[in-house]
Amino acid sequence: SQQGEEDPQALSIQEGENATMNCSYKTSINNLQWYRQNSGRGLVHLILIRSNEREKHSGRLRVTLDTSKKSSSLLITASRAADTASYFCATDGSGSARQLTFGSGTQLTVLP
Amino acid sequence: DAGITQSPRHKVTETGTPVTLRCHQTENHRYMYWYRQDPGHGLRLIHYSYGVKDTDKGEVSDGYSVSRSKTEDFLLTLESATSSQTSVYFCAIGASYEQYFGPGTRLTVT
Repeated sequence: SQQGEEDPQALSIQEGENATMNCSYKTSINNLQWYRQNSGRGLVHLILIRSNEREKHSGRLRVTLDTSKKSSSLLITASRAADTASYFCATDGSGSARQLTFGSGTQLTVLP
Repeated sequence: DAGITQSPRHKVTETGTPVTLRCHQTENHRYMYWYRQDPGHGLRLIHYSYGVKDTDKGEVSDGYSVSRSKTEDFLLTLESATSSQTSVYFCAIGASYEQYFGPGTRLTVT
């Protein structure tokens, strides 16, 4: 079963616009992470936010976490065509092997 | 791809045949994972390892087995491949909580 569910499933924007993707999860977490996957490639880690953090920035990425609502959002500012990819949230809970549970992803298309 | 390789990268096999996928890392990380990725399902954990000879089941382990005899190698075996195991398989390694993924193996079972 999927712990995280992304919304929307697909998003198409113009270059230069901001893109916002949302993730909801079901159980308590230690951390929430976002990954990017370009077509035909493996996933690439973008950012991790801990359960006691509310917001985190990394370059053009801004992640928020609301543990009371069990939700997170990923904002990509000033998007570029190269940002076209699928984005996944992943959560980890109490598993000792740091297992991650992934959502089904948001497909972002940035049009030039 | 963070020192992770997967082999083979593509494989077509027939139903009922055994298949072994290999994941090799050069990072000396303790944790290694096998996932499958199917349309509409994201990534689902098959098996994972937390050390040499230490492995455990994930969410979708039925029909799969794993072995880890060396830190750098994690093998995934389909004892008798079925069409439902047609998928893209990703290996990942974990340092702290982040995971780093290999390039994937596309497996087709006919």
